[in-house]
Amino acid sequence: QKEVEQDPGPLSVPEGAIVSLNCTYSNSAFQYFMWYRQYSRKGPELLMYTYSSGNKEDGRFTAQVDKSSKYISLFIRDSQPSDSATYLCAMIEGGSYIPTFGRGTSLIVHP
Amino acid sequence: GAGVSQSPRYKVAKRGQDVALRCDPISGHVSLFWYQQALGQGPEFLTYFQNEAQLDKSGLPSDRFFAERPEGSVSTLKIQRTQQEDSAVYLCASSLASQGETQYFGPGTRLLVL
Repeated sequence: QKEVEQDPGPLSVPEGAIVSLNCTYSNSAFQYFMWYRQYSRKGPELLMYTYSSGNKEDGRFTAQVDKSSKYISLFIRDSQPSDSATYLCAMIEGGSYIPTFGRGTSLIVHP
Repeated sequence: GAGVSQSPRYKVAKRGQDVALRCDPISGHVSLFWYQQALGQGPEFLTYFQNEAQLDKSGLPSDRFFAERPEGSVSTLKIQRTQQEDSAVYLCASSLASQGETQYFGPGTRLLVL
């Protein structure tokens, strides 16, 4: 079993829907949690970075961390076709600099 | 330039051939990372530089893989005697600080070994 589990999808939603993307993890040492967006043939782009349990909001994006359940989520409100991409979660142990990535979830937002 | 650049963007190699992949990080960024991304997977860490010092190469899959950053800016990842299992996208990322939690990725080099 991998340290970070992420459903690859694809997840297909209509424009305007609320999207929920999730990752689970097994390593209690993970302290930093990130979400990246990766368009086809491009490198990952950092969307959200969180440290503690709870919610963090940035525009249409909300990142949620539940350390007790070892579960993180990314919510996208009012989804747009331009949000169609692969979303990668990533986590770093305290004191480390090496992220462990999930395999990514492919999101398709259709007009 | 404004972001991290990598060259070549695509590389086709015959099995057994040596390849060199280049990364130009954002100017002034201290940290530089190399990752390997297989199809349908997330990036896997290969190696980490802080300025010109290679502080971690624990992710390099074999001694055929070698990376350098001699002047603390441009980095080269070299793969000797390429094998089919080396086919992947090789991503470079840089960050301003030594912690590296905010990493800026390049577009990657897509390597296909035939």
